[in-house]
Amino acid sequence: DGGITQSPKYLFRKEGQNVTLSCEQNLNHDAMYWYRQDPGQGLRLIYYSQIVNDFQKGDIAEGYSVSREKKESFPLTVTSAQKNPTAFYLCASSNGAVQETQYFGPGTRLLVL
Amino acid sequence: LAKTTQPISMDSYEGQEVNITCSHNNIATNDYITWYQQFPSQGPRFIIQGYKTKVTNEVASLFIPADRKSSTLSLPRVSLSDTAVYYCLVGPHTGRRALTFGSGTRLQVQP
Repeated sequence: DGGITQSPKYLFRKEGQNVTLSCEQNLNHDAMYWYRQDPGQGLRLIYYSQIVNDFQKGDIAEGYSVSREKKESFPLTVTSAQKNPTAFYLCASSNGAVQETQYFGPGTRLLVL
Repeated sequence: LAKTTQPISMDSYEGQEVNITCSHNNIATNDYITWYQQFPSQGPRFIIQGYKTKVTNEVASLFIPADRKSSTLSLPRVSLSDTAVYYCLVGPHTGRRALTFGSGTRLQVQP
């Protein structure tokens, strides 16, 4: 089955700790995205990548980092610099050559201990 | 990027038709209109996309007037399972570019 997987479903972070959220897609999409969603709010863009080895900051990139070494993978690291990391994190991908339909993963909920 | 405005919330009953309107006054010539649906604790799911006039699929219809400054998502005969947040997005349909999700419209369907 083609799709996007995110792991883990729940993640706990201690103070001062960096954590990495996984996102994998087998849709052969070039573009991938990371969004943050706070309770009752819409999605805010953290980072996006249009092609391997390239990525751009979104609206709220501070305290986050990404890498795009492989087409199918776009991990997000929440660093200790992100002071309020508790949120629902969503990864998406799209075939930028056609319509901008984005396919989303199931999300990772990050909680701070 | 074209800014969109949607109602914050709407209520309906099972079996009714629901119309959610999105305003996008500064839509550009090459922008498409796309709607997504999101259930709690899940990622958004694509519903429908259109450029002008009317588009219909097995889930919904999208009505776009000639001036394209607004659009209406129509959900026929809603059920309890249609309770979700609906997002209207506007952007070009080509090129790899991130889209902007607003706060969406929270639809609550009552029995």
